[in-house]
Amino acid sequence: EAGVVQSPRYKIIEKKQPVAFWCNPISGHNTLYWYRQNLGQGPELLIRYENEEAVDDSQLPKDRFSAERLKGVDSTLKIQPAELGDSAVYLCASSERGLNTGELFFGEGSRLTVL
Amino acid sequence: SQQGEEDPQALSIQEGENATMNCSYKTSINNLQWYRQNSGRGLVHLILIRSNEREKHSGRLRVTLDTSKKSSSLLITASRAADTASYFCATDPNDYKLSFGAGTTVTVRA
Repeated sequence: EAGVVQSPRYKIIEKKQPVAFWCNPISGHNTLYWYRQNLGQGPELLIRYENEEAVDDSQLPKDRFSAERLKGVDSTLKIQPAELGDSAVYLCASSERGLNTGELFFGEGSRLTVL
Repeated sequence: SQQGEEDPQALSIQEGENATMNCSYKTSINNLQWYRQNSGRGLVHLILIRSNEREKHSGRLRVTLDTSKKSSSLLITASRAADTASYFCATDPNDYKLSFGAGTTVTVRA
C-alpha cells in the first residue's frame, strides 16, 4: 500500500514569490494534517481536515497561507507571498481516526528554502 | 506551542548499549505517542500508550507513562547504528490534535 505522497521534495524560491505543496494521503484516511517543522524542532500543526472540512486551522497564518482539500482526498498548501521565516519542512500526515488521535502516517516532507 | 519536552536534547551511545529518553508534558492526555525521524525523512510512528496504561513494549522498545508526573520514557535496548535518528514524543491533549516536542537526537556509535 502506498504511503503519504508529497511533492515537491525540495523548493527554493525568492522571498515574495508564491509556492504550493501537494499531498496525497493514504487511501481511506479521512483525516489529513499539515505540519511545519523548523530546523531542530518538532512539527507544529498548521491545519487539520476531516474529509474536506478544515476543522482546526487556528495555527495557520491566514494572511499568507491557504489550504484546500477538494473532494476530501488530495490537499494543497499554498504560501503567498513567501517570507524568509517560512523556510522549513512542510509535512503532510494522514490518519484513520478523527476523534481520538491515533497513529499518524507522515509523508517525506517538502523542504522550502526562501532566499 | 509545543506541549511535550524531551530530555536530553541529544544522546550519544555505543552500539549495543541502551538509550533512554524522557518526555514531560503539561496537560491531561488521551494518549502519548513516540515517533522516529531519520535525517531528511518524515516521521515514523513507533508506539502509542494510552492514558490508562503504564507500560508498553514493542520489540526493542519499552515505553512507560506516569500520568501523575505527566511524564513518559522511551527505552531502546541493544541499540544499533540504524537507531540513529531523532525521537519525538507527541501528546493528544483531548482536543483531537497531536502536539510534538522538540525531540531527542540519538547517535549510535559503531
